[in-house]
Amino acid sequence: EPEVTQTPSHQVTQMGQEVILRCVPISNHLYFYWYRQILGQKVEFLVSFYNNEISEKSEIFDDQFSVERPDGSNFTLKIRSTKLEDSAMYFCASRAGGGLRTHSPLHFGNGTRLTVT
Amino acid sequence: QKEVEQNSGPLSVPEGAIASLNCTYSDRGSQSFFWYRQYSGKSPELIMSIYSNGDKEDGRFTAQLNKASQYVSLLIRDSQPSDSATYLCAVNVYGSGNTPLVFGKGTRLSVIA
Repeated sequence: EPEVTQTPSHQVTQMGQEVILRCVPISNHLYFYWYRQILGQKVEFLVSFYNNEISEKSEIFDDQFSVERPDGSNFTLKIRSTKLEDSAMYFCASRAGGGLRTHSPLHFGNGTRLTVT
Repeated sequence: QKEVEQNSGPLSVPEGAIASLNCTYSDRGSQSFFWYRQYSGKSPELIMSIYSNGDKEDGRFTAQLNKASQYVSLLIRDSQPSDSATYLCAVNVYGSGNTPLVFGKGTRLSVIA
């Protein structure tokens, strides 16, 4: 069964450094997402990406964050000047197209645990 | 503000019993509803989706949706210790197909052998 893959599984970085989290969505999916989950808290939406551009972003997704789809397969999340509070599990997700009124299910990658020290 | 509310639990049930998990949502425009299971330290795993009022069954799982009451539930029959996990309710609001899912905080289920 096709799956979303994320690398690395764990990233440790020092405060102020930049990190890039990588994802390969399921190949025939059209919509791509980044979510994050701070330890013990809920899964929070960061950004969605469709047709090579950001379609929606949350308040969390400020100028510190950017996303890119540099080729036909990879989808990356860049976090500049990391802060301690950026420590979280970051999940990439993708989904196939849906109907006008319905949302097809999200398929999540295994996540990247980011630790900022 | 779109909200999805779940009782955080823990909900403890004996092995073989029915576990009932509940979720309410704030936006009447919501059209798509999902239940995910999340083991500690792992990613959310899709259990079921439901789009229409009523019940939808898949094996030991039954999702129930009542849009008038803005309520969605998940029943797990013949609960097993391996079902012990956090169950996340996720809701999508009607709009473009790209409107993101909003997740509840999850209900922690513990199945006691």
